[in-house]
Amino acid sequence: RKEVEQDPGPFNVPEGATVAFNCTYSNSASQSFFWYRQDCRKEPKLLMSVYSSGNEDGRFTAQLNRASQYISLLIRDSKLSDSATYLCVVNMVDSSYKLIFGSGTRLLVRP
Amino acid sequence: DGGITQSPKYLFRKEGQNVTLSCEQNLNHDAMYWYRQDPGQGLRLIYYSQIVNDFQKGDIAEGYSVSREKKESFPLTVTSAQKNPTAFYLCASSQPGRRTNEAFFGQGTRLTVV
Repeated sequence: RKEVEQDPGPFNVPEGATVAFNCTYSNSASQSFFWYRQDCRKEPKLLMSVYSSGNEDGRFTAQLNRASQYISLLIRDSKLSDSATYLCVVNMVDSSYKLIFGSGTRLLVRP
Repeated sequence: DGGITQSPKYLFRKEGQNVTLSCEQNLNHDAMYWYRQDPGQGLRLIYYSQIVNDFQKGDIAEGYSVSREKKESFPLTVTSAQKNPTAFYLCASSQPGRRTNEAFFGQGTRLTVV
């Protein structure tokens, strides 16, 4: 089983739609969680950190469910510019400190 | 401005040659990472380092080597033992222990074997 799993998509949605992605992680010792956005042929960039209490930034909402070991990202009122790949990232803290990326979920927002 | 610099942006290598990718950061981060990304795929961890003079293998370390002699530098060597080195290589750094311990990335190096 992969340490971090995401549905690869693509999610193809019209402008204005609400779309949600989930990401599951296998290591219950994981401590920090992030969502990154990656545009084609570019480096990933931080979209949001995910806190236990959940957090919201404009149209984006991130949630953490430790009991079920998943995090989610909700995008409301999708824009064409939201088209990208969204990467879930988990910080594994056991005997070392490493960041594990999911394989990404591709989002296509159509006019 | 603080950040991470990877060089070169594009690199071409002949089969059988070793090549070294540079990664420098001035963020004063303790942890640094190397990832490989193939077309349409996610990021796979090659090596990571939590502190100077220490590093650990990631999931796909075979055919790669690293060093961490200075805090700001974490070069990656792609050796001739790496059977399929053509890929996009990303270097990142972070500061463990902080609440905001997200990773910052360089712009990446595209390596092509010719």
